[in-house]
Amino acid sequence: RKEVEQDPGPFNVPEGATVAFNCTYSNSASQSFFWYRQDCRKEPKLLMSVYSSGNEDGRFTAQLNRASQYISLLIRDSKLSDSATYLCVVFSYGNNRLAFGKGNQVVVIP
Amino acid sequence: DAGITQSPRHKVTETGTPVTLRCHQTENHRYMYWYRQDPGHGLRLIHYSYGVKDTDKGEVSDGYSVSRSKTEDFLLTLESATSSQTSVYFCAISLGPHDGELFFGEGSRLTVL
Repeated sequence: RKEVEQDPGPFNVPEGATVAFNCTYSNSASQSFFWYRQDCRKEPKLLMSVYSSGNEDGRFTAQLNRASQYISLLIRDSKLSDSATYLCVVFSYGNNRLAFGKGNQVVVIP
Repeated sequence: DAGITQSPRHKVTETGTPVTLRCHQTENHRYMYWYRQDPGHGLRLIHYSYGVKDTDKGEVSDGYSVSRSKTEDFLLTLESATSSQTSVYFCAISLGPHDGELFFGEGSRLTVL
């Protein structure tokens, strides 16, 4: 089983709609979780950290479910500019390194 | 944006030739990393550095070496490039070791023919 798994999509979303996707991780000792955004042919950039209690940043909401070992990202009121690939990143003290998922590709359609 | 520059940004080379990619930062961060990104894979760590002359291997280090003689520069060398090393290479920096908050350079696209 891969350390971090994401459904690559694409997730085609009408403008203004809500889209949500999950990322599962295999290491139960994983400690820290993050979502990165990567635009086509650009570098990844940190979108948000994911806290145990869940957190929100504007139209973006991240959740952590330790029992089922997944994190989620929800985007409300999707904008054309939200079109990107969203990378799930997990840090595990056992491996002492970051593990990256392959990404969820989101395409917002006018 | 974090002050990270990679050079060259694009390079085409032939199998068997040596290649060096340079990462330069102006943030004075201690921790630096080289990743590669390929279709069908997440970002994979090649090598990382905890400081000047302090480097270690990542998960896909075979065929690569690194050097860090100054805080601001982290060099990645392919001693004898192979077609399997065709990839996009990203340098990253962080405040802490394997900190989840990484700042990436714009990437270096390498094609090995």
